This record gives sequence, structure tokens and C-alpha cells, in this order.
Amino acid sequence: QTVVTQEPSFSVSPGGTVTLTCGLSSGSVSTSYYPSWYQRTPGQAPRTLIYSTNSRSSGVPDRFSGSILGNKAALTITGAQADDESDYYCVLYMGSGIWVFGGGTKLTVL
Amino acid sequence: EVRLLESGGGLVQPGGSLRLSCAASGFTFSSYAMSWVRQAPGKGLEWLSTISGGATGTYYADSVKGRFTISRDNSKNTLNLQMNSLRAEDTAVYYCAKQGYASSSPFDYWGQGTLVTVSS
Repeated sequence: QTVVTQEPSFSVSPGGTVTLTCGLSSGSVSTSYYPSWYQRTPGQAPRTLIYSTNSRSSGVPDRFSGSILGNKAALTITGAQADDESDYYCVLYMGSGIWVFGGGTKLTVL
Repeated sequence: EVRLLESGGGLVQPGGSLRLSCAASGFTFSSYAMSWVRQAPGKGLEWLSTISGGATGTYYADSVKGRFTISRDNSKNTLNLQMNSLRAEDTAVYYCAKQGYASSSPFDYWGQGTLVTVSS
């Protein structure tokens, strides 16, 4: 069974840049997996940040960007702010209607 | 404005059943694929099931296949999830999510979620 991998945790300084990644236990992530990224803050609905690799969802600031880096999908946050402290999830489309989420990355801004 | 409002969550005994609903508004419901996603306490997001706009295609995660059934009523703009043979590990907040026209379209809007607790 394919596992989608994410860093369990990451930290960034305020104003800094951080890149979170989303990989596969076997194989490389490409645009064909339509990688998307979501921010999950306790008590709130998941917020869509990036979809289809690098398309920014409506209202999402341009300091959030998506890309493919090497064999993984990536979410880059530039100019990190305190309220970016949250859990971030990627999801990949496996085909035949099947989606698989990564385990999430807990981002700390300090 | 797109709005998704889940309902139907609650406490149920192991082996029991529950039916979740998601009332949608602000878009042409029948044109879009819809999904259910859950998050168990202390765990990550888990995709459960997707249904195409015309309900001609349904897809399930292995963890719920054969126990859960997704459906939709396009005349009432409502998405449903019938959950049978519930287990303790099904305890989670359940979210409905809107996608694009295709089942391969990403999730763009989410509801606030409804809590399901499976316990004796």
C-alpha cells in the first residue's frame, strides 16, 4: 500500500522561509498526482492552500507557494508569521478516484 | 458563497450505524464531485469516499469499503454517508468537502465537521 510521507515536524523563525515536502514511499510525486496542500488549525475547518501542484486557492496570500522539488511535492512559506503555526497536510491523487493524505507536518514558528 | 454544513454525528455503540448528511449551498451542487474526509483524535486527515456529481461513480478507502456508503440527493443539495458496523477506530470528526467537476479534482471547500464517537 502506498504511503504518502511528510516531515512530522518543522520549525521556522518569524520572517523566515520553510519548505515542507510530500513524497511517496515508493516512486516520485509528479503533477499527475495533483498534489494539494491544506492547513489544519484546531477548531477550524481545513483550509485549502494549494491545489494541482501550484495553484493558490482564493484568498491565500502569495507567500504560500507549491512546486515539485526533485521527486516530491513541496509547500514553501516565505516570510513566516506567527499565525502560520499549524498542521499542514498534503494529499495525492492515486487514480481510480482514490486520494491519500500524508501524515501531516506540525509547523512551529519561533 | 459556498457553504457546507454537516449533521448527524453523535455517540453510537460499536457495531451500530449512523447516517451523516452535508447540506450544500452557494454552488450548482449536481455539477461537482463531493467527498467525505475524517480526522480521528490525535491523527491526521483521512480521505474516505468520493461521489461524482451525477452519482454515477463512487470510490472508497479500503478502511471503510463495505461498511460505509456515500450517496447524494441532487434535488435537495445533500450529501450523505451511511456508516454501518462502526468500530472504535471510526471515532473522528467527519468533514464533507467539495471538489471540482471530476473525481480527480482537488478538495476546495470544507464544512466545519461533525463528531462521531463510537463507544459502549
